[in-house]
Amino acid sequence: NAGVTQTPKFRVLKTGQSMTLLCAQDMNHEYMYWYRQDPGMGLRLIHYSVGEGTTAKGEVPDGYNVSRLKKQNFLLGLESAAPSQTSVYFCASSYVGGTGETQYFGPGTRLLVL
Amino acid sequence: GENVEQHPSTLSVQEGDSAVIKCTYSDSASNYFPWYKQELGKGPQLIIDIRSNVGEKKDQRIAVTLNKTAKHFSLHITETQPEDSAVYFCADNQAGTALIFGKGTTLSVSS
Repeated sequence: NAGVTQTPKFRVLKTGQSMTLLCAQDMNHEYMYWYRQDPGMGLRLIHYSVGEGTTAKGEVPDGYNVSRLKKQNFLLGLESAAPSQTSVYFCASSYVGGTGETQYFGPGTRLLVL
Repeated sequence: GENVEQHPSTLSVQEGDSAVIKCTYSDSASNYFPWYKQELGKGPQLIIDIRSNVGEKKDQRIAVTLNKTAKHFSLHITETQPEDSAVYFCADNQAGTALIFGKGTTLSVSS
């Protein structure tokens, strides 16, 4: 099993450009999550999904959209990138929700917005 | 939402010493408290967790203790080794569906 994979690994954008980050998991997990990690801020939840076709907002959802059209994929979109969205983005998945099951993280996507 | 307070933000120890990281939570409904380790350039990985119905859990050199009255839980690493150097995150499930993470502790173990 590959576990959780993220594409791309690194990307540079100009302000105003759009892009989509792809997360894929092969563990048949129901729940998937997108976090951003910034120095001194820990991991902050952007959006999450409790199953195919569902999405919900996390702590810092503004400026991002997500879609879960297939159970194994969770896409994070930036419609108009801003320098404040420069960060490392992590995707995670779990069999059930945060009530007691392990979250498995991907290797991260480093995004630089100029 | 409520956050999880994690201290210290950085911790330096000599190889063989013990390291303790403490987290405080605010939601009495929280009942699951995991700890994640993040090595440089990688995603976080679960190392140990505890549920609210127990006070302590051990796994070889690492242990977690939970004090529900005081609403804090701690990670204890004994006989530290250079490979323990990493960023450690605590979390709790106050959100019900998703975990809320602390801001992390950078542990450096020098030999």
